[in-house]
Amino acid sequence: DAGVTQSPTHLIKTRGQHVTLRCSPISGHKSVSWYQQVLGQGPQFIFQYYEKEERGRGNFPDRFSARQFPNYSSELNVNALLLGDSALYLCASSLDLAGDQETQYFGPGTRLLVL
Amino acid sequence: DAKTTQPNSMESNEEEPVHLPCNHSTISGTDYIHWYRQLPSQGPEYVIHGLTSNVNNRMASLAIAEDRKSSTLILHRATLRDAAVYYCILRDMDSGNTPLVFGKGTRLSVIA
Repeated sequence: DAGVTQSPTHLIKTRGQHVTLRCSPISGHKSVSWYQQVLGQGPQFIFQYYEKEERGRGNFPDRFSARQFPNYSSELNVNALLLGDSALYLCASSLDLAGDQETQYFGPGTRLLVL
Repeated sequence: DAKTTQPNSMESNEEEPVHLPCNHSTISGTDYIHWYRQLPSQGPEYVIHGLTSNVNNRMASLAIAEDRKSSTLILHRATLRDAAVYYCILRDMDSGNTPLVFGKGTRLSVIA
């Protein structure tokens, strides 16, 4: 079975531009979460979606937004890019939100470089 | 979220057992102990989780102290492919909807 897939794998943008990152969860998984990982740090939580509704938001500015589609895939949008947005963006999916079905499975990430 | 403390780095010889410690002295009764690892250039990978009893799966074993204030991830025979950053994370599974809160983890090096 395919795991979590993310596109693109790498991306270079300039300051002020916007970017859209895409994630396809494991088949049957209803929840998608987004994380940002800067070099040398652990991943930091950005958003969680379940059944197309936002269920959690981390401490990120409003320039970051996301949505989940009826097929449970998801997009992360970042507007007005800053140099500090350069990071690995990880998507994780889980079957559900409770108990053992909450185990999260990560994709390989999208590496974003802002120049 | 309750915090965890892990050593910054550890080193192991190939085919030797590895014990990765994690302290979580402020753990609450409903916190599960999760371990994830992140291999170079990959996303984090679920390893194991437990609540009170020791747990085993095909990847590793998790030994949980009786007072639950510490735990140890055990890799029975380290291979070069086990070189990764290992994260110990507490999650309140009963409340659901809790994101993973990653620290800096332990960087494990495996020497051939």
